[in-house]
Amino acid sequence: QVQLQESGPGLVKPSESLSLTCTVSGTSISSHYWNWIRQPPGKGLEWIGYIYNSGNTNSNPSLKSRVTMSVDTSKKQFSLKLSSVTAADTAVYYCAGAPVYFGAWRGFDIWGQGTMVTVSS
Amino acid sequence: DIQMTQSPSSLSASVGDRVTITCRARQDISNYLAWYQQKPGKVPKLLIYAASTLQSGVPSRFSGSGSGTDFILTISSLQPEDVATYYCQKYNVVPFTFGPGTKVDIK
Repeated sequence: QVQLQESGPGLVKPSESLSLTCTVSGTSISSHYWNWIRQPPGKGLEWIGYIYNSGNTNSNPSLKSRVTMSVDTSKKQFSLKLSSVTAADTAVYYCAGAPVYFGAWRGFDIWGQGTMVTVSS
Repeated sequence: DIQMTQSPSSLSASVGDRVTITCRARQDISNYLAWYQQKPGKVPKLLIYAASTLQSGVPSRFSGSGSGTDFILTISSLQPEDVATYYCQKYNVVPFTFGPGTKVDIK
């Protein structure tokens, strides 16, 4: 079945960069637009950005200056880098996929299990 | 950015009750709206997209309606396994903002 798995450090120091990778299995890397979403402890969901297998990206204006996303189609992986992190970036980070049919998005139908990232010295 | 609001922020209802959750966008988003269910400690799950299309495998007691700025998620007969927080999300243009969530539990 289709699965996403996030990987990356669980602890990042303030002012450093957070780097996460999501590995896709059970489907083609071109089947979805691939997204990053985060959820601070006890709070709601925040969309970070998406990338397509072409390398086309778009991100939340509130984070845009700090977000870099990339895709490695040969490894069926996509990645997030968030720079200059602070304690406010502490959250569970999810990767998720959104199928797009004839240009129409259909919500995020595949989610990874999420990975907790804590920003602390 | 188009902000999303949800009401109520929480509700408590009895098993078998009809439950409605409202989501409102500050600007017209047509039908570019999804609903998600997040059970405690679990990953969000897509329930509905395009405002009213039920995702495959989702029980038919869940339904969505609305267009433009006002949307409703209905649970026709609340079940114990429906205890969760429900989020709406717009996806017409970026950012794909989520609503603040509505927490549903059993009375």
